Amino acid sequence: QSVLTQPPSASGTPGQRVTISCSGSSSDIRGNNIHWYQQLPGTAPKLLMYNNIQRPSGVPDRFSGSKSGTSASLAISGLQSEDEADYWCAAWDDSLNGMIFGGGTKVTVL
Amino acid sequence: QVQLVQSGAEVKKPGASVKVSCKASGYTFSTYNIHWVRQAPGQRLEWMGWIAAGNGYTKYSQKFQGRVTISRDTSATTVYMELSSLTSEDTAAYYCARDLYSGGWYPYFQNWGQGTLVTVSS
Repeated sequence: QSVLTQPPSASGTPGQRVTISCSGSSSDIRGNNIHWYQQLPGTAPKLLMYNNIQRPSGVPDRFSGSKSGTSASLAISGLQSEDEADYWCAAWDDSLNGMIFGGGTKVTVL
Repeated sequence: QVQLVQSGAEVKKPGASVKVSCKASGYTFSTYNIHWVRQAPGQRLEWMGWIAAGNGYTKYSQKFQGRVTISRDTSATTVYMELSSLTSEDTAAYYCARDLYSGGWYPYFQNWGQGTLVTVSS
C-alpha cells in the first residue's frame, strides 16, 4: 500500500522558519507532482501549494515548496500564529491510480 | 464566486446507504472535475473518486470500488456521492472539491464544500 510519510508535528516561534517533509515512493512522488493543503480545526482543507512549487493566488510567499526524488518539502518562513494548523501533502499514485495523502503534520506556533 | 454547498449531516445505521449532494455555483459546471474526499475523526484525508461534470465519466478509488457511486445532475449543477453498506468505519466528514483548472486533469483542489458529517451508529 502506497503511503506518504510526514512527521506528526513541527513547531517554531513567531518569525522562525519551519519545514515539513513528505516522503513517498517511485509510484507516487517521483513521477508525479506534490500538492500541499492547510487545514484549520473544523474547516475544509485549503490549497497551499500545487505542482510542487506553485502557489495559488492569495497564498503568501512565506510558503514555498520543493521536491527532489521521492521526497518533497513545504517551508514556512516568518512563522505567524495564524499558521498554526494541520498540513497535508498529496500526490497521484500511479500504482493505485488514485490520489493519496500524507499522514498530516500539526504545526504549533510556540 | 465559486461555491460548493453540501447537504446536511446524516446519521445512518450499519448496512444502510448515504447520498451526499454538492451544489456548485459561480462557474461553468460542465467544464470542471469534482472529487470526493473524506476524513474520519483524527485521521488523514482519503480520496474516494472523481467525476467529469461534463460527460459524467467517473473513476473510483480501489478501496471504495463497488461501494461508491458518484453522479451528477447538470441541470441542477449538483454532484452526488452515494456510499453503500455503511459500517462504523465510514463515520467521517465527506467533502466535495473542484479541480483548480478546467478542461483537463488538474487534481488539486482550491474550492471545497463545507463538509458533510456522516455518522454510522446502531
